[in-house]
Amino acid sequence: DAKTTQPTSMDCAEGRAANLPCNHSTISGNEYVYWYRQIHSQGPQYIIHGLKNNETNEMASLIITEDRKSSTLILPHATLRDTAVYYCIVRVYFGNEKLTFGTGTRLTIIP
Amino acid sequence: EAQVTQNPRYLITVTGKKLTVTCSQNMNHEYMSWYRQDPGLGLRQIYYSMNVEVTDKGDVPEGYKVSRKEKRNFPLILESPSPNQTSLYFCASSSLGQVGKYNEQFFGPGTRLTVL
Repeated sequence: DAKTTQPTSMDCAEGRAANLPCNHSTISGNEYVYWYRQIHSQGPQYIIHGLKNNETNEMASLIITEDRKSSTLILPHATLRDTAVYYCIVRVYFGNEKLTFGTGTRLTIIP
Repeated sequence: EAQVTQNPRYLITVTGKKLTVTCSQNMNHEYMSWYRQDPGLGLRQIYYSMNVEVTDKGDVPEGYKVSRKEKRNFPLILESPSPNQTSLYFCASSSLGQVGKYNEQFFGPGTRLTVL
């Protein structure tokens, strides 16, 4: 699996867009980018995933650079409930294999 | 409401006293899994099950047992708990679903276990 690098922590004002970066410079052609988040000691929650095209769902948008070496998760209008640790995972497309999280980015939404 | 439930949510026990953490899902998922989460070590898989009566070891199975007699339930058993099993435990489930479709894992709320 490709290694990912995320900032340890970030702050964002409530109501603004939260942009969480992830570097994955060693990503290979068949690896996807997945995002999960974990709100304080709750179970992790899937957010979104993508291969090379930008993706959007009801929770977030995922922007992957053209060379696929980095990506950004965007929460368009952050709320206090978005305060969580966000994990970027790069893996070959998988359905039910184990999830392995790194240290992630601790996002704090400021009122 | 589609969900994964775990019980108990909090448990303090003593070394050697057998315990079971239950996990149940109401989404008719084939796949279920147990993880433990420890500071600095991230999420580690203990056991998983692809369907009824089919279980397999994850990365850290020592000291744990599981069973999958029914599709909806996947209990985690600690026959003789030790202090190094103090951790936050998560159960997860997902559908094996359609080929080519990502089947996200749904996690339970967690069980915080302390073994004295």
